[in-house]
Amino acid sequence: DIQMTQSPSYLSASIGDRVTITCQASQDVMKYLNWYQHKPGEAPKLLIYGASNLQTGVPSRFSGTGSGTDFTFTIDSLQTEDIATYYCQQYDRLPNTFGQGTKLDI
Amino acid sequence: QVHLVESGGGLVQPGGSLTVSCAVSGFTFNAYAMHWVRQAPGKGLEWVAVISYDGTSENYAGSLKGRFTISRDNSNNVLYLRMTSLGSDDTATYFCARHMKGYGRALDYWGQGTLVVVSS
Repeated sequence: DIQMTQSPSYLSASIGDRVTITCQASQDVMKYLNWYQHKPGEAPKLLIYGASNLQTGVPSRFSGTGSGTDFTFTIDSLQTEDIATYYCQQYDRLPNTFGQGTKLDI
Repeated sequence: QVHLVESGGGLVQPGGSLTVSCAVSGFTFNAYAMHWVRQAPGKGLEWVAVISYDGTSENYAGSLKGRFTISRDNSNNVLYLRMTSLGSDDTATYFCARHMKGYGRALDYWGQGTLVVVSS
């Protein structure tokens, strides 16, 4: 199975900050890398698919880059409602696998 | 509006079995592959299984193959996950999710999950 390593595991930031999370795959996953937001008690939400494509309805302050094994997720100008845990996921091959998550706090 | 609602979670004894369900609305269920993903308490997301749009093809996480069975009822817009020989490691919130069309390699809508607790 492809292992996904996210960093950091925990991130404390201030409103208005630029926040960056990285995700590294143990094998080349091309651009088959997605980012999800998960708030406690809620349904996880797809934010970015195909490494850099913004899902419909997602604010443009969220973005993603990368290909191969190294990926970056960025939130420009952090908002209060962005407090959540963020996960990367590779879907180059089954079983698709998630990173361990990055818990974002204010 | 796309809606996925899981149900059927609860307390089950070690070694027991349980089936959880996911009722969907707001889209053409029989046109989409569907997934189950779980999250153990305090842990991250773990993919469980996927089933094709017509139910003819399934795939499972290696560690769960043989104990878990994904199925669907396209007449009633319901997805199922049958879990057997349950152990404490299976304690988790179980989410159903829709396989994204077009791009096809993401899960674009999720339910809020149903909690399964395996304990005596």
